[in-house]
Amino acid sequence: QVQLVESGGGVVQPGRSLRLSCAASGFTFSLYGMHWVRQAPGKGLEWVAVISYDGSYKYYVDSVKGRFTISRDKSKNTLYLQMNSLRAEDTAVYYCAKVSRVDTAMDGMDVWGQGTTVTVSS
Amino acid sequence: QSVLTQPPSASGTPGQRVTISCSGSSSNIGSNFVYWYQQLPGTAPKLLIYRNDHRPSGVPDRFSGSKSGTSASLAISGLRSEDEADYYCAAWDDSLSGVVFGGGTKLTVL
Repeated sequence: QVQLVESGGGVVQPGRSLRLSCAASGFTFSLYGMHWVRQAPGKGLEWVAVISYDGSYKYYVDSVKGRFTISRDKSKNTLYLQMNSLRAEDTAVYYCAKVSRVDTAMDGMDVWGQGTTVTVSS
Repeated sequence: QSVLTQPPSASGTPGQRVTISCSGSSSNIGSNFVYWYQQLPGTAPKLLIYRNDHRPSGVPDRFSGSKSGTSASLAISGLRSEDEADYYCAAWDDSLSGVVFGGGTKLTVL
């Protein structure tokens, strides 16, 4: 079945970096765009970034532009989120999610991973 | 302040029908598909409704979605205790070039 498994979360000091990974299985990874979505403690869902099926276009929420980079490796069926210059307000559970449609990345998500927790604290 | 507007809470008794609204604009709901997610405490969100009114396999037909103009609704009929969860609407926003979510609605089954 379709499965997404995130990893790479942890506790990191402000200003440092962290790279999250999302291993995909059960579907043709190279055909679908992929999202990152986060949820701060006790808060709602916040979209972070999306990458097209081939990596040719990427979009980010304003609060992470210039600090976060989304990427993918089709040979490893893996999605990444490189997070630099981390701030306390980046503390959240980070979910990767698959775009619902095959013909565009500019759409909602259908399958979600279980999430990985990032805590930014000194 | 979320781009999509949902009521923060809703409630009903077992067997009742409840509706959760989601209000947006022409750049999101008005021109793109609406998605609904259910999030049980301590778990990842789960897709309930996709492309406005479609149910994935495995989602009971007690759940239904609709869209009209720049608003959408999620209806849950025959309310059950296990429906107690947070519900989120979402849509792509052409102006922001990203997905926007509602603030979430906490459903309580009395």
